[in-house]
Amino acid sequence: GAVVSQHPSRVICKSGTSVKIECRSLDFQATTMFWYRQFPKQSLMLMATSNEGSKATYEQGVEKDKFLINHASLTLSTLTVTSAHPEDSSFYICSARDVAGGANQPQHFGDGTRLSIL
Amino acid sequence: GDSVTQMEGPVTLSEEAFLTINCTYTATGYPSLFWYVQYPGEGLQLLLKATKADDKGSNKGFEATYRKETTSFHLEKGSVQVSDSAVYFCARYNQGGKLIFGQGTELSVKP
Repeated sequence: GAVVSQHPSRVICKSGTSVKIECRSLDFQATTMFWYRQFPKQSLMLMATSNEGSKATYEQGVEKDKFLINHASLTLSTLTVTSAHPEDSSFYICSARDVAGGANQPQHFGDGTRLSIL
Repeated sequence: GDSVTQMEGPVTLSEEAFLTINCTYTATGYPSLFWYVQYPGEGLQLLLKATKADDKGSNKGFEATYRKETTSFHLEKGSVQVSDSAVYFCARYNQGGKLIFGQGTELSVKP
């Protein structure tokens, strides 16, 4: 089945550090990838839609300068949390959808990144 | 607007019990419907899907039938195992192509 690899799985760093998270589709191409944030005991909150070769589309209330997204190829999107602070601590999950599958194909998710800012 | 509503958890069952997790949706048209499962500390895995009315999705003993007359997609399993303990999310796409999730239902299966 479709596999999405997300790396790293866990990051612990000091306040003010910038952190990059990678999301790769391993066996399919994805023109669109998605970045979510999940708080404990809650559902996923869409942060942004990452479009290959163009700018990401951010959801209302998500700071684009804080959460930089780059989607340079059909198999890789990155999310950089710039100058991270403790309030950015969360579980971040990416997903991707196979371009060949059509609009109603399921999204396939990475295993998530647990970000802890001290 | 488009929405997905799941029954509240947590749901606690004994091993081999019957499971139902209710999911209803509001929609324009007939979107594809999905169930995802999230094990502790992990991302989401696609459990099953249905793309049109009366379709039945099934996987690993779980089933869900797309019922347009009741706008429902309830998840069922005849005999749960401890390893089924996880959070289950019902989901569908909205017209803008974004995946809309229910609030998630935590299932705890006791030996």
